[in-house]
Amino acid sequence: GQQLNQSPQSMFIQEGEDVSMNCTSSSIFNTWLWYKQDPGEGPVLLIALYKAGELTSNGRLTAQFGITRKDSFLNISASIPSDVGIYFCAGHPMYNNNDMRFGAGTRLTVKP
Amino acid sequence: NAGVTQTPKFQVLKTGQSMTLQCAQDMNHNSMYWYRQDPGMGLRLIYYSASEGTTDKGEVPNGYNVSRLNKREFSLRLESAAPSQTSVYFCASSEADRAGNTEAFFGQGTRLTVV
Repeated sequence: GQQLNQSPQSMFIQEGEDVSMNCTSSSIFNTWLWYKQDPGEGPVLLIALYKAGELTSNGRLTAQFGITRKDSFLNISASIPSDVGIYFCAGHPMYNNNDMRFGAGTRLTVKP
Repeated sequence: NAGVTQTPKFQVLKTGQSMTLQCAQDMNHNSMYWYRQDPGMGLRLIYYSASEGTTDKGEVPNGYNVSRLNKREFSLRLESAAPSQTSVYFCASSEADRAGNTEAFFGQGTRLTVV
């Protein structure tokens, strides 16, 4: 299937540190999306990427759509306590833009 | 500004019981989705609907049925609940703009326990 492999599974960092997580797939994706989920809530979109090679920022967040269209990364700079949560990559497979698959998530803990 | 509304928020079922999870969106989106979320496994797609009147299977459709009642509503039905269906269920909707860009909006989830 169109599985997304996300790593790392979890991260424990100090406030102020930078964070990097990534997602890979054996299939080509048309779109890469990064979501954050807070406890008891649904995921909320952070960044959307639509073109291979695209590099997009949203405040302290930066994400890139890999050239091969099979990978993406998300960086968070100067982490703060409210960055705590689960981060998911997601994407629309090339063969079907109506389908949307998720990675298993990266659980981020930020120590003050 | 309701966005995506799911009901109920919590439910406990006995094995073999049936129930329907309701989802409605007020953003006039064509695409709607049902996911389940289990610890360490992210969100897995159960079914999706690209437009009113169409539904398609996702990764884990077994044990579920769906109905796209109209453009606003997309329901998920468990005919005979099993403990393996204990999970948090999320509904989402999305729409592609003219540039082909899409963003999915999620409901707050339904926490289902099957005993």
